[in-house]
Formats: sequence, structure tokens, C-alpha cells
Amino acid sequence: AQSVTQPDIHITVSEGASLELRCNYSYGATPYLFWYVQSPGQGLQLLLKYFSGDTLVQGIKGFEAEFKRSQSSFNLRKPSVHWSDAAEYFCAVEGGNQFYFGTGTSLTVIP
Amino acid sequence: GAGVSQSPSNKVTEKGKDVELRCDPISGHTALYWYRQSLGQGLEFLIYFQGNSAPDKSGLPSDRFSAERTGGSVSTLTIQRTQQEDSAVYLCASSLAHSGRGTQYFGPGTRLLVL
Repeated sequence: AQSVTQPDIHITVSEGASLELRCNYSYGATPYLFWYVQSPGQGLQLLLKYFSGDTLVQGIKGFEAEFKRSQSSFNLRKPSVHWSDAAEYFCAVEGGNQFYFGTGTSLTVIP
Repeated sequence: GAGVSQSPSNKVTEKGKDVELRCDPISGHTALYWYRQSLGQGLEFLIYFQGNSAPDKSGLPSDRFSAERTGGSVSTLTIQRTQQEDSAVYLCASSLAHSGRGTQYFGPGTRLLVL
């Protein structure tokens, strides 16, 4: 069965520091992969997605993610975090007619 | 240019009552999705529509849950005989096309509390 694991429930980083949020998936074929962000009081917003081709995907707000088939991972990165990046981040995989989301990683940014 | 809207924004009901949650997708979006987000949980995919058809209903948690979409637009998620475990935020999303090739735009959600 398809599944998505986000091992880190909560991460705290200093503003200006680099960030990596982990995501591992389980899917039989090459999946479609996504990262979403949910800011307080706001709806979910797509950061980036991967279908095929270049395994390094660029998204909005300076985020990028790298698909590593050998590790079944799709980790999200940002070189320099801003205070406004504090939010909940969800990794998702599309399998067949359904979408599977991880349980999310809550990001706190300290000045 | 409005986004996805959902109503009501909040709903408090008593156990055993039926509730209807409404989703108005972005105009022209053929695909529509329902999710459930429980406290401390990720998003749970419930169902999607391509036009007025729902090809796969296996994500619905039980037969108390049903959904329909009419005119390729508005969708209603109905929960019959609500239980306390149904308490959650119900999110709707729409996209121009099904499959991840169409970006999903999410509504603000309906927060359901079953007492």
C-alpha cells in the first residue's frame, strides 16, 4: 500500500539557517510527489511537485526538493529560512486515483 | 477570480445527526477533492470527482459518508448519523485536471465538531 512518512514531527531552526524536511514514500511505481505548506489560519498551498525528469525540483518561496529513487525520498530544502516560513509542511504522493499525505512537520523559526 | 470556498466554516452538531458540507470549486476546474484533517493527523484523502463522477469511493471512511457533485461544479459531502470521531476539518480542493498535473487549490475548510 502507498504511504508517506515524515519522520520529524517538529523542527526548530534559526532565521537564516538552512532547512531540510524529510519525506519517505512507499509506492510501487514512480510516483507523483508533492510538498504543501499550511500556514496558520491559511489554506494549504502547493510548494512544488515532481512527475518525471530532473530530480531536483524548484518551487515557490525559494524551496526545492530532490527525488531520490534509491532512497524513496523527496526531501524539501531551503538554503536560508525566513521567519515567515514558520508553518506546517506536508509531503504527499499520488497513487492511482488517490492522494496520500504525511502527518506533517511543524516548523518553528527563531530570530 | 474567487478561490475554492466551503460552507459552513464551522459546524457543531450532536452525535447521531446528519450534516452536509458544501464546496464551491474554482470555476472551470473539472477535478474536485475531499480530504479530512484530524488533530495531529495528516490529510486523509476521501474522494475525488472528475466532472460529476467519482471513479473511486474507497477512501470514504464508512457508509455513513457520501458525496455528490452536480453540474460539474458544487459538491456536497454528507455525513449521516455523525459520531464523535467524525470531528475534524474537512478540506475541499479543485484542479483544472485530475492527477497531479493539475495543481490542487484548497479551500479554507469546514471545522466539524460532533458533541
